[in-house]
Amino acid sequence: DGGITQSPKYLFRKEGQNVTLSCEQNLNHDAMYWYRQDPGQGLRLIYYSQIVNDFQKGDIAEGYSVSREKKESFPLTVTSAQKNPTAFYLCASSHERRYGYTFGSGTRLTVV
Amino acid sequence: GIQVEQSPPDLILQEGANSTLRCNFSDSVNNLQWFHQNPWGQLINLFYIPSGTKQNGRLSATTVATERYSLLYISSSQTTDSGVYFCAVLMYSGGGADGLTFGKGTHLIIQP
Repeated sequence: DGGITQSPKYLFRKEGQNVTLSCEQNLNHDAMYWYRQDPGQGLRLIYYSQIVNDFQKGDIAEGYSVSREKKESFPLTVTSAQKNPTAFYLCASSHERRYGYTFGSGTRLTVV
Repeated sequence: GIQVEQSPPDLILQEGANSTLRCNFSDSVNNLQWFHQNPWGQLINLFYIPSGTKQNGRLSATTVATERYSLLYISSSQTTDSGVYFCAVLMYSGGGADGLTFGKGTHLIIQP
């Protein structure tokens, strides 16, 4: 079945560590997105990518980095510069602008 | 950027009731989507509806783009309809597209 796979589901990070969240899709979608969700809030855009080897900052990119070396993969690194990284992270993809988004099941990141 | 307001923020209904959720947005859009987030965090795309009316079973949606609002109707509610409903919008013009901007959602609880 086609879909988006995010891993791990739960992730614990120590202060000062970088961690990488995985996002893989087999939908042959061109565009991929990373969102952050805080409790009781909507989703906020971190980074997005329309094609391989190209990506753009979203509204809250500070303290995060991404890469897009393959069409299927769009990993997100939460760096030590991100002061409040505890949140629910969601990855999405879309075929073209006129189609809807498909979301992964998310990764819950907690700083310990 | 575009502002998205959803109402009501919370809604508690008995099983079998009907409901209407509203999404107002501050500027013209050419992409509008409704999502349902279940209690485990999974986001499911319900409708891609930048204008017009669509129906899918007990759910239907209407977007009046000229008046900058969209409505999601849920009829004969079931307990499985519980969760958070998000409206998300985007206005893109040439070049690459930004990601969707989300409202804060309507938290719906259906009681048996």
